[in-house]
Amino acid sequence: ETGVTQSPTHLIKTRGQQVTLRCSSQSGHNTVSWYQQALGQGPQFIFQYYREEENGRGNFPPRFSGLQFPNYSSELNVNALELDDSALYLCASSFRGEQYFGPGTRLTVT
Amino acid sequence: DQQVKQNSPSLSVQEGRISILNCDYTNSMFDYFLWYKKYPAEGPTFLISISSIKDKNEDGRFTVFLNKSAKHLSLHIVPSQPGDSAVYFCAASASYAGGTSYGKLTFGQGTILTVHP
Repeated sequence: ETGVTQSPTHLIKTRGQQVTLRCSSQSGHNTVSWYQQALGQGPQFIFQYYREEENGRGNFPPRFSGLQFPNYSSELNVNALELDDSALYLCASSFRGEQYFGPGTRLTVT
Repeated sequence: DQQVKQNSPSLSVQEGRISILNCDYTNSMFDYFLWYKKYPAEGPTFLISISSIKDKNEDGRFTVFLNKSAKHLSLHIVPSQPGDSAVYFCAASASYAGGTSYGKLTFGQGTILTVHP
């Protein structure tokens, strides 16, 4: 059974650009959640996808969007990047229980 | 508005002694609580959880205590080992009928635990 994987590991973007982060769920998990972790803070919930539908959203603007595919892998898209978007982006997969996190993607916006 | 708070940014403990990490919450709708451990360059790893119908849950060296009236939970690690050195996050969830009850976790800021040999 493979764990949760994320790509890329690190990314540097310029303010105003767009970025896509990817996540492969743990086998058998039909739910994916995305979190943003700023330096020195705990992860903050962005949104969750369940069976390809958005199933709840945190306090993030619409320029944060996502997709879940039939194989339950997922993407997080961020448009019009701002400096404050620099953070570690974590995805977590689950199936009716505890969430299992990937290693994260470190995004730096300059 | 910080609904889950870990007021101690760091904790230093001697190997073999007890580590006690604390967490407070304000949202009375939270009914499921979890502890995660995070090493640098890795995602958080699930440690232990507790439902609001219980006041204690134990798993090996790890025990979580929940005091609902005080809206407080704690994680006890006995005995502490140097490999336990990591950032510990407390998280909470408000369940609902159907779907994925535990998807929307609210995390505290984390406590850095250092266990000295």
